[in-house]
Amino acid sequence: GENVEQHPSTLSVQEGDSAVIKCTYSDSASNYFPWYKQELGKGPQLIIDIRSNVGEKKDQRIAVTLNKTAKHFSLHITETQPEDSAVYFCAASKGTGGFKTIFGAGTRLFVKA
Amino acid sequence: DAGVTQSPTHLIKTRGQQVTLRCSPKSGHDTVSWYQQALGQGPQFIFQYYEEEERQRGNFPDRFSGHQFPNYSSELNVNALLLGDSALYLCASSLLGGATMNTEAFFGQGTRLTVV
Repeated sequence: GENVEQHPSTLSVQEGDSAVIKCTYSDSASNYFPWYKQELGKGPQLIIDIRSNVGEKKDQRIAVTLNKTAKHFSLHITETQPEDSAVYFCAASKGTGGFKTIFGAGTRLFVKA
Repeated sequence: DAGVTQSPTHLIKTRGQQVTLRCSPKSGHDTVSWYQQALGQGPQFIFQYYEEEERQRGNFPDRFSGHQFPNYSSELNVNALLLGDSALYLCASSLLGGATMNTEAFFGQGTRLTVV
């Protein structure tokens, strides 16, 4: 069945360091891979996404890479700041918005000042 | 421009009861998806509504049902509540119809349901 695995479940870094979260997906038909940030008491917020025809996408301190052959995708946050502390979810779907999205279990990121 | 709004924010129900949760999508969006997020887990897809019909459904029992209204707002109904139904219920809206490219999904803040 459809599945997204996410690692690590918890990640602690020093302010200014980089953080990397890795995910794998099972459904080879998946072609849209969003990343969400969820703060306490709030719903998930889209921070970056990538489509299957692109191998890498960057937005300021955040970048995502995709390896369709290996069915792996990763989130990279550089120069981490305390406000980056949150739970991050990777996800996969067969299209934007209009198709059900399968989420990973989440990574709790702690950025120590 | 209001984002996705959900009501109520918190709810406590007794096992066996029924509950209705409500969602208003982001302005301009026509599709609503519902997710269940258990504590410490990622959101799990329940179902999606477009043009007032259920388009896709995840692995949830028939106790979970929904509805979409002509103004695109939606309701999630859960019958015969179980203790295991306690979770954060999230609504996400997106644009499926129209001439423009489909957009990403925007989530509401969720409804925290506690079943006792």
